[in-house]
Amino acid sequence: ETGVTQTPRHLVMGMTNKKSLKCEQHLGHNAMYWYKQSAKKPLELMFVYSLEERVENNSVPSRFSPECPNSSHLFLHLHTLQPEDSALYLCASSPPGGYATGELFFGEGSRLTVL
Amino acid sequence: QKEVEQDPGPLSVPEGAIVSLNCTYSNSAFQYFMWYRQYSRKGPELLMYTYSSGNKEDGRFTAQVDKSSKYISLFIRDSQPSDSATYLCAMSGNSGYALNFGKGTSLLVTP
Repeated sequence: ETGVTQTPRHLVMGMTNKKSLKCEQHLGHNAMYWYKQSAKKPLELMFVYSLEERVENNSVPSRFSPECPNSSHLFLHLHTLQPEDSALYLCASSPPGGYATGELFFGEGSRLTVL
Repeated sequence: QKEVEQDPGPLSVPEGAIVSLNCTYSNSAFQYFMWYRQYSRKGPELLMYTYSSGNKEDGRFTAQVDKSSKYISLFIRDSQPSDSATYLCAMSGNSGYALNFGKGTSLLVTP
């Protein structure tokens, strides 16, 4: 397998559920990202991990909890979400310095619907 | 004022046309400028990036940056139906990990 793989591709959950999104990259990159893509809005950066250390957290509500156990895997744990959290959640990875030049490699996304 | 403005379209052109996609921005600290293409139900993929002002060409695609006007463009020559996608501009400054994205322009190239 190559590139950035996200699972599940689609997820429907109630407001009281707990679920997790998974991302795996096979590119040997050292940074991984979670982005949120909502209709008619620009992509929003949620979290950045560099060398498995969280380096940026853009004022994301605590109901979203990231985890990066190693440089190839990234999780987004979801708990007590709101309907307005329904969106496409994109994982990306980059080589060193790639965040500046935009050399991000995105997965296909996990489409989340919160009922 | 939003940091990055991009007309969402949709933009519909016939096959073979020259397409011009544009973004404006307000933050003069931006130094890197990127264009991504996103097909339906896929993640964005980087087409090209440029540093500071100037032009960059890659096959049928040309990126242009005018920092004095805070205006960037992507030109697609000899457009093909396979170019139908949403095109996102993005830019970054000298600090932080966040890219500043436009909302994307939806392009449809009709045979």
